[in-house]
Amino acid sequence: GAVVSQHPSRVICKSGTSVKIECRSLDFQATTMFWYRQFPKQSLMLMATSNEGSKATYEQGVEKDKFLINHASLTLSTLTVTSAHPEDSSFYICSARDNAVYSSYNSPLHFGNGTRLTVT
Amino acid sequence: SQQGEEDPQALSIQEGENATMNCSYKTSINNLQWYRQNSGRGLVHLILIRSNEREKHSGRLRVTLDTSKKSSSLLITASRAADTASYFCATYGSSNTGKLIFGQGTTLQVKP
Repeated sequence: GAVVSQHPSRVICKSGTSVKIECRSLDFQATTMFWYRQFPKQSLMLMATSNEGSKATYEQGVEKDKFLINHASLTLSTLTVTSAHPEDSSFYICSARDNAVYSSYNSPLHFGNGTRLTVT
Repeated sequence: SQQGEEDPQALSIQEGENATMNCSYKTSINNLQWYRQNSGRGLVHLILIRSNEREKHSGRLRVTLDTSKKSSSLLITASRAADTASYFCATYGSSNTGKLIFGQGTTLQVKP
């Protein structure tokens, strides 16, 4: 099955530093990937849509300069949390849409295992 | 804002019992999907039901969809301790943005 690898799974960083999270589709190509944020015992909140070769589309209220997204290839999207602060501590999850799936526009997404970010 | 609301928020049952979770959504949809999330992990797709379908089965899972009420239910029969997880419904909005929006989720605990 389609596998999405997300790395790192856990990261602890000091306030003011930047952290990069990688999301790779291992056995399929993904023009579109999505980044979600999840607080404890809550649902997933869509942060942004990552598009290969173009700028990401951010949801309302998400600071694009704070959460930098790069989608330079059909198998890799990165999320960089810049100048991280304790309030950025959260669980970040990426997902990818398989280009090869017919009518992939409404198809299920494939998720990474998430990254637990703790900012001290 | 979230597309769907789910109830109950938390459900605790004994192994062997059935678990039913409900989901409501706000806009018209092409399909509705259910996902499972084990604690601290990513999501796994369980089942997809199209807007022109009323019921769908997959193993011990049974999903219903009522588009007139904008609601869906997920039934897990003969639950097992390994079914302990959070379950989310998700939909693509009618505006065809391609964004999958999740409901609030139900946390299921199956006691052995």
